[in-house]
Amino acid sequence: DTAVSQTPKYLVTQMGNDKSIKCEQNLGHDTMYWYKQDSKKFLKIMFSYNNKELIINETVPNRFSPKSPDKAHLNLHINSLELGDSAVYFCASSHLSIEDTQYFGPGTRLTVL
Amino acid sequence: DAKTTQPTSMDCAEGRAANLPCNHSTISGNEYVYWYRQIHSQGPQYIIHGLKNNETNEMASLIITEDRKSSTLILPHATLRDTAVYYCIVTISSWGKLQFGAGTQVVVTP
Repeated sequence: DTAVSQTPKYLVTQMGNDKSIKCEQNLGHDTMYWYKQDSKKFLKIMFSYNNKELIINETVPNRFSPKSPDKAHLNLHINSLELGDSAVYFCASSHLSIEDTQYFGPGTRLTVL
Repeated sequence: DAKTTQPTSMDCAEGRAANLPCNHSTISGNEYVYWYRQIHSQGPQYIIHGLKNNETNEMASLIITEDRKSSTLILPHATLRDTAVYYCIVTISSWGKLQFGAGTQVVVTP
């Protein structure tokens, strides 16, 4: 069974559209994250949720809105997509503790045309 | 979180040990050293972490200098599947944001 799964794996869309990426983890973790990896391959955190509450919110445009319906899911909704949003988005999860490690999903490659 | 410095790239022969250095001279006393790797087109994968003592698991060993200003990740017997970008991250806790740098591109050759 996949520990952290994301759907879709690939997403191609036009500028101005609204799209969502879904993430689910079956590890029983209480904290989930979204990271963005741009064309230069730098990974940057966007959001973090603990028990459905937002705990990290980096400088991300308001067009990005994470939603956590329960501890096992963290979805990312993006409004009015722009060319610069093209990237690979990774979901991750962990326990909220000092030493726990993060487990990453396989990534969603978003291409905005 | 402390900043880290890693070589941009390194090659390693299959079956040999790969020693990946990381400098973190501004590390504070309560910050851990974490290593992750990212194989092409996959999500990052946790390898190992430590605070002061050397650590070993089924994947690798982590050697942290006594002053904690640098560390070395050792892959004891590199295989072709170990070709990846390796990230050294220093952070107070892993549940917080992981600050990924550029990492070291390791290429294992036959």
